[in-house]
Amino acid sequence: DAGVIQSPRHEVTEMGQEVTLRCKPISGHDYLFWYRQTMMRGLELLIYFNNNVPIDDSGMPEDRFSAKMPNASFSTLKIQPSEPRDSAVYFCASSPGGAHQPQHFGDGTRLSIL
Amino acid sequence: KNQVEQSPQSLIILEGKNCTLQCNYTVSPFSNLRWYKQDTGRGPVSLTIMTFSENTKSNGRYTATLDADTKQSSLHITASQLSDSASYICVVSDGGATNKLIFGTGTLLAVQP
Repeated sequence: DAGVIQSPRHEVTEMGQEVTLRCKPISGHDYLFWYRQTMMRGLELLIYFNNNVPIDDSGMPEDRFSAKMPNASFSTLKIQPSEPRDSAVYFCASSPGGAHQPQHFGDGTRLSIL
Repeated sequence: KNQVEQSPQSLIILEGKNCTLQCNYTVSPFSNLRWYKQDTGRGPVSLTIMTFSENTKSNGRYTATLDADTKQSSLHITASQLSDSASYICVVSDGGATNKLIFGTGTLLAVQP
């Protein structure tokens, strides 16, 4: 079975540029999550979707961040304009419905903003 | 404030030895507690999920315990292998409307030959 697929794996760009991160969840999973991981703060939930609908975006740091899920097999996280403090590893995860289901993580996108 | 604290921050053990990682939480309400393993450069992988009524769960050489009264959990690794070198993250679900996960900052384990 293919797991959660994220692209790109690495992204280096200059401050002010637009960054788009992509995620393909596991087929059949109803939930999709975007996380950010830094050394200082660990893993933080940014936003999650249920059946393609955003449910909780309270973790999105500011208006520069936006996420979409146009269909069940694709989601994007966009940062515009990017800033050096956005440098982190961004993970996408998906899970089937149910409170006790594990979340399956992709291998992340390592983002560096210069 | 909902928090998950892990100890130690890092640990070095010799191959073949056992070790135990600790997790204390103050999350309320409580739905379940999870342990994840994260290899360097990879995403976290679920090891165990325990609900309120479960006090132990095993996955191969990994055994997790949960004491819901004292709000403590441990992850015991038996007969460690070099491939166990990773970060181990304790995660608690608050069981609220969004079933939000609260993550600990992890214990970095290094297994040396």
